[in-house]
Amino acid sequence: DTGVSQDPRHKITKRGQNVTFRCDPISEHNRLYWYRQTLGQGPEFLTYFQNEAQLEKSRLLSDRFSAERPKGSFSTLEIQRTEQGDSAMYLCASSLVGGSGANVLTFGAGSRLTVL
Amino acid sequence: SQKIEQNSEALNIQEGKTATLTCNYTNYSPAYLQWYRQDPGRGPVFLLLIRENEKEKRKERLKVTFDTTLKQSLFHITASQPADSATYLCALYPQNDMRFGAGTRLTVKP
Repeated sequence: DTGVSQDPRHKITKRGQNVTFRCDPISEHNRLYWYRQTLGQGPEFLTYFQNEAQLEKSRLLSDRFSAERPKGSFSTLEIQRTEQGDSAMYLCASSLVGGSGANVLTFGAGSRLTVL
Repeated sequence: SQKIEQNSEALNIQEGKTATLTCNYTNYSPAYLQWYRQDPGRGPVFLLLIRENEKEKRKERLKVTFDTTLKQSLFHITASQPADSATYLCALYPQNDMRFGAGTRLTVKP
């Protein structure tokens, strides 16, 4: 297993276009998170999945954002009608939650979005 | 409102000294607290975890303390090296998701 993979690493788009990011988590992990990070800030929680169920969404996640995790494997994050304020690094992380173990996140390298 | 505050945006120290980073939180009751390291252009990498019933945790040159009364964690890097230069994030796991502070950018000068 090579860790958490994100694609594409960089995306430049024009305002109003739709973009989609993909995340392939560590295969044994049952939880998948999406975060957004802007320069000088920590990761901001967007949403997370437990297997294929989306269990929580941040109020940061406007109706232009949608995330899916079909069959509890890879996940996609789509942003419709992009705005310049959407420019950020989008981070995906996965973890194995269960028993008495703590929830330790393994992050991907991120997908950097630039909206012109 | 819930907040996670890290003491400063940037910390500059000389090689060989001990770096001490602070994480304060309000309106959280976390079961545990974690510290992550983030290098430019990369995702955060997990370093250490400390549970609410633990006062101190060590791993090699790293030490973390957790005071649930003060709602504060301290992260120490002893005998710092230029390779320790990075942004360090503290994270809380209050319920089902992980919340992060803004991070402290550490620069260790040779």
